[in-house]
Amino acid sequence: QQQVKQSPQSLIVQKGGISIINCAYENTAFDYFPWYQQFPGKGPALLIAIRPDVSEKKEGRFTISFNKSAKQFSLHIMDSQPGDSATYFCAASKSGGGADGLTFGKGTHLIIQP
Amino acid sequence: EAQVTQNPRYLITVTGKKLTVTCSQNMNHEYMSWYRQDPGLGLRQIYYSMNVEVTDKGDVPEGYKVSRKEKRNFPLILESPSPNQTSLYFCASSFPTSGRVPYNEQFFGPGTRLTVL
Repeated sequence: QQQVKQSPQSLIVQKGGISIINCAYENTAFDYFPWYQQFPGKGPALLIAIRPDVSEKKEGRFTISFNKSAKQFSLHIMDSQPGDSATYFCAASKSGGGADGLTFGKGTHLIIQP
Repeated sequence: EAQVTQNPRYLITVTGKKLTVTCSQNMNHEYMSWYRQDPGLGLRQIYYSMNVEVTDKGDVPEGYKVSRKEKRNFPLILESPSPNQTSLYFCASSFPTSGRVPYNEQFFGPGTRLTVL
């Protein structure tokens, strides 16, 4: 059972455009929603995260939008740059979760064309 | 430098030949995990450990073993590798969740690309 569904699987955006990646979750007990960024040849690294008590979180060009009633959240990358080309994973967790507590989406391969 | 290290980074082996992928972290994390990453399937957890001598199965444990004899090390063992275990493997570590650290931010190693012929 896939608890976090991520789309699209791949995405091509022109430099300067907005990249949008969407995720939906099923378990209403989730209360922490991070995004991980992975460059080729590297392990994933935490990019930005949100808790459901806010509807939006912004860090530089990266914004998470969260819709609790729809059980959806999305990553927006404004003014996308070639250096943003990477694979992005959404995830969900419960507070107090153990080492098995982080559930990942399947990933989105993002390419920013110059 | 705080990091998770894995060795080897690349490995080509043959079916049935036992192998071990090592993982070590220097952040004094209690939690450690192994994931495999396959195209279109994302990251799937193989095994995890919440402390020394405490390990448990993740989502795809078949064909793998782990041990946690020391806090910093968490080796992944393939007793009899098969071609369907060809994959990119990641070790990760994190602090346990608590009132001060309520959420599980995982720190990943650089990955081990395994090919089983």
